[in-house]
Amino acid sequence: GQQLNQSPQSMFIQEGEDVSMNCTSSSIFNTWLWYKQEPGEGPVLLIALYKAGELTSNGRLTAQFGITRKDSFLNISASIPSDVGIYFCAGRWEYGNKLVFGAGTILRVKS
Amino acid sequence: DTAVSQTPKYLVTQMGNDKSIKCEQNLGHDTMYWYKQDSKKFLKIMFSYNNKELIINETVPNRFSPKSPDKAHLNLHINSLELGDSAVYFCASSRGLNNEQFFGPGTRLTVL
Repeated sequence: GQQLNQSPQSMFIQEGEDVSMNCTSSSIFNTWLWYKQEPGEGPVLLIALYKAGELTSNGRLTAQFGITRKDSFLNISASIPSDVGIYFCAGRWEYGNKLVFGAGTILRVKS
Repeated sequence: DTAVSQTPKYLVTQMGNDKSIKCEQNLGHDTMYWYKQDSKKFLKIMFSYNNKELIINETVPNRFSPKSPDKAHLNLHINSLELGDSAVYFCASSRGLNNEQFFGPGTRLTVL
């Protein structure tokens, strides 16, 4: 069956460090989305990617749609305490109509 | 100016009861969704409505019945609640089926 894997599962980093997380799919995606969820809140859209190779930034966040269309990464530069939360990748398979989510990356930042 | 809102925020109830969760969006979107987030934070789609028509119906027990009275509302009714129904339920909306989805704040359902 089709699988979506997100890694790492969790990260505990020092404030100021850069962070990288990624998602890989067993099948081709035509959309990659990155969301952040804070405790007690719903996921908030950070970056949307629609084309293979697309590289998009949102402040200190940068995400890329992999050339193979089977992966995406999210980088956060110079992390700050408010970056804490769960980051989810999500996407649609090439012939699918629903959004599937990765298992999430829990980010903790030490100040 | 809340975009996607849900009520209630918290719902604690006994096994066997029937309960409803309401969702409203003021974004003018055509498509609305219900997701379930389990204790491991895994998010899974349950239903999707486009222009009040059911588009996606995942393998969800038929105790769960969504209802969309108009494009701006999608309610979720759950009959005969079970312990395993305890989770956070998120409503979301998007302009169309393939557009970015915007999520509500969630409803934490606890079945005792």
